Amino acid sequence: DVKVTQSSRYLVKRTGEKVFLECVQDMDHENMFWYRQDPGLGLRLIYFSYDVKMKEKGDIPEGYSVSREKKERFSLILESASTNQTSMYLCASSIPGRYEQYFGPGTRLTVT
Amino acid sequence: SQQGEEDPQALSIQEGENATMNCSYKTSINNLQWYRQNSGRGLVHLILIRSNEREKHSGRLRVTLDTSKKSSSLLITASRAADTASYFCATDYEGAQKLVFGQGTRLTINP
Repeated sequence: DVKVTQSSRYLVKRTGEKVFLECVQDMDHENMFWYRQDPGLGLRLIYFSYDVKMKEKGDIPEGYSVSREKKERFSLILESASTNQTSMYLCASSIPGRYEQYFGPGTRLTVT
Repeated sequence: SQQGEEDPQALSIQEGENATMNCSYKTSINNLQWYRQNSGRGLVHLILIRSNEREKHSGRLRVTLDTSKKSSSLLITASRAADTASYFCATDYEGAQKLVFGQGTRLTINP
């Protein structure tokens, strides 16, 4: 089975802090994605990556950056956390040519 | 954005009944998927239906797709308490590998 893990289930950070959310998948998937999920807004794509050191902006990249130094790891970085970034963050991976995505358990981030 | 829209937003039924959820989208697609999310957890892929398919079955799940109406439905038969979750439809976007998700239907199965 595909396993996607995220570094924390719950995280509390202060406004202005730099925040790192880590995602690791163990199935050698080339594609990886970061979403945020908010009530009434569904899932929105922040960034995605089709290969190592490659990244593309999703629908809401502002205030975020990503890093993909290794195929299995995709990191989401909040450069200076703000309260409006309080959300559930979901990581996913997929195989090129296959549309099914495999999700991690999510990180619920609270910025105070 | 061609974000899909699920209908209804919430559905509550008795165990053993069938549950039907609908999804509408705006532009042409290659495929449509349905995912389940248990409370506070990640999403789990349930089923994918391609644009040239009209109906697909997987266990107690039945998915239909009407590309002329740009809509899909997910039917869960003989519902169980464990089916309580949120259900999302997702469509590919301009043939790319990324997906666009709807806002979801929250399904509650009452024992």
